[in-house]
Amino acid sequence: DIQLTQSPSSLSASVGDRITITCQASQDIFNSLNWYQQKPGKAPKLLIYDASNLETGVPSRFSGSISGIDFTFTISSLQPEDIGTYYCQQYDNLSSFGPGTRVDIK
Amino acid sequence: EVHLLESGGGLVQPGGSLRLSCAASGFTFSTYAMTWVRQAPGKGLEWVSSISGIGGSTYYADFVKGRFTISRDISKNTLYLQMNGLRAEDTAVYYCAEGREFYDSFWGSYRPNYFDNWGQGTLVTVSS
Repeated sequence: DIQLTQSPSSLSASVGDRITITCQASQDIFNSLNWYQQKPGKAPKLLIYDASNLETGVPSRFSGSISGIDFTFTISSLQPEDIGTYYCQQYDNLSSFGPGTRVDIK
Repeated sequence: EVHLLESGGGLVQPGGSLRLSCAASGFTFSTYAMTWVRQAPGKGLEWVSSISGIGGSTYYADFVKGRFTISRDISKNTLYLQMNGLRAEDTAVYYCAEGREFYDSFWGSYRPNYFDNWGQGTLVTVSS
C-alpha cells in the first residue's frame, strides 16, 4: 500500500501570505497525485490534478509541483475563503488520501 | 451541470447491512468512473471503492473487500454500495464522486484517477 504523509497537519497564516503544504509518498508514484480542498461541512473539491495541473475554474493562486516523491501545494496569496482542510490523493496504486492539512486565518 | 445525490444512510447495528444509492444527472453516467469515499466524524477522507465507466471494473480498499459491493444501474443513472457485515469503524459520511479515468496496463482495465464532482454525502452510523 502507498502511504501519504502531509505536513504540516495544520497552519495559521495571515491574509495575503504564501503558504505551502507538502505531501510525501512512501514510494515513487510519478505524477499520480491530486489535491482537494474541503470546507467545513462541505464535500471536497478538486483543485490540482496530476501534481501540477489546475482544475478548470480554480483560481490561479493555487498551484502544485513535484520533486521526486515530494509534492508541494501552494497558495500564493491566502484569502479568507481558502479556510478549510487540504488533502492530497494518489491514484498510482488504487487510491488513498493523505491525512489532511487544516488551514485557517490568523 | 453534474448533480449527485446520495441516500440510504442511517443507523444500523453491528453486523447489519445497508445499501447506499447515488442518483446521478447532468452527464453520461455510463462513460464516467464512479467512486465512494467516506469520512468518519472529525477524521480525514478515505477511499472506499470505485467502478470504471468503461468496462465496469470494480476496485476496493482492503478494509471493505469481501464486505462491500459497488455496482451501478445505467438505466437508472444510479450508483450503489451494498454494505454487509458493518462494523463500528464503518461509521462515516459516505460521498459518491464522479470523475475521469485512465487505462491502467497493470490491471488491464480502466480505473479512476481524479474525482471531479461530489455529492453532499449520507451518514452511516453503526452502533448497538
